[in-house]
Amino acid sequence: AQKVTQAQTEISVVEKEDVTLDCVYETRDTTYYLFWYKQPPSGELVFLIRRNSFDEQNEISGRYSWNFQKSTSSFNFTITASQVVDSAVYFCALSAITSGTYKYIFGTGTRLKVLA
Amino acid sequence: DTEVTQTPKHLVMGMTNKKSLKCEQHMGHRAMYWYKQKAKKPPELMFVYSYEKLSINESVPSRFSPECPNSSLLNLHLHALQPEDSALYLCASSQEGSGSTDTQYFGPGTRLTVL
Repeated sequence: AQKVTQAQTEISVVEKEDVTLDCVYETRDTTYYLFWYKQPPSGELVFLIRRNSFDEQNEISGRYSWNFQKSTSSFNFTITASQVVDSAVYFCALSAITSGTYKYIFGTGTRLKVLA
Repeated sequence: DTEVTQTPKHLVMGMTNKKSLKCEQHMGHRAMYWYKQKAKKPPELMFVYSYEKLSINESVPSRFSPECPNSSLLNLHLHALQPEDSALYLCASSQEGSGSTDTQYFGPGTRLTVL
């Protein structure tokens, strides 16, 4: 069975601090995709990144960076120099096709509060 | 342009009402999705349409009826809902048809309240 765990329910940081959001996943598939989405109070889920299981290269996009480690089944997300606008709920998701069945599974989300 | 639009933004309805939610995308995406999200919970998949055909129904009660009139439009017809159906309803689309692991792009959602 597939599972995505975001153990951090809520994190509060002061503006300009760095913060890492953890994501641990479980799957028996060799081919799968991992995603991060941001959900601000307005409700829309904003796509941030997609990574396939064969690409363990870390990625940096501005203040955002992602660390994918298959050895520990983790796909962590770091925000550098956090800003108030980063306050949102962040979801990690896993997608795979198992025995012809498509699954797109979200973690429970981490609520990030960035204080001014 | 990765825009998915949803109307209305807010909807309040009684348990005997019939209403519809609308979702539209003009990105040429082949798959469209309906999700339900309760407060402080992750989105839960309800339906998937691939090439305008229903491909996945996650055992959703029949009081929710999806419809895909064309490749750009997805509706969710609501009838005889219960108060526990109150939630944020999110629509999404992806480039490839269902059964793919393509990125899904979400709309802003419709906040539904059932009285």
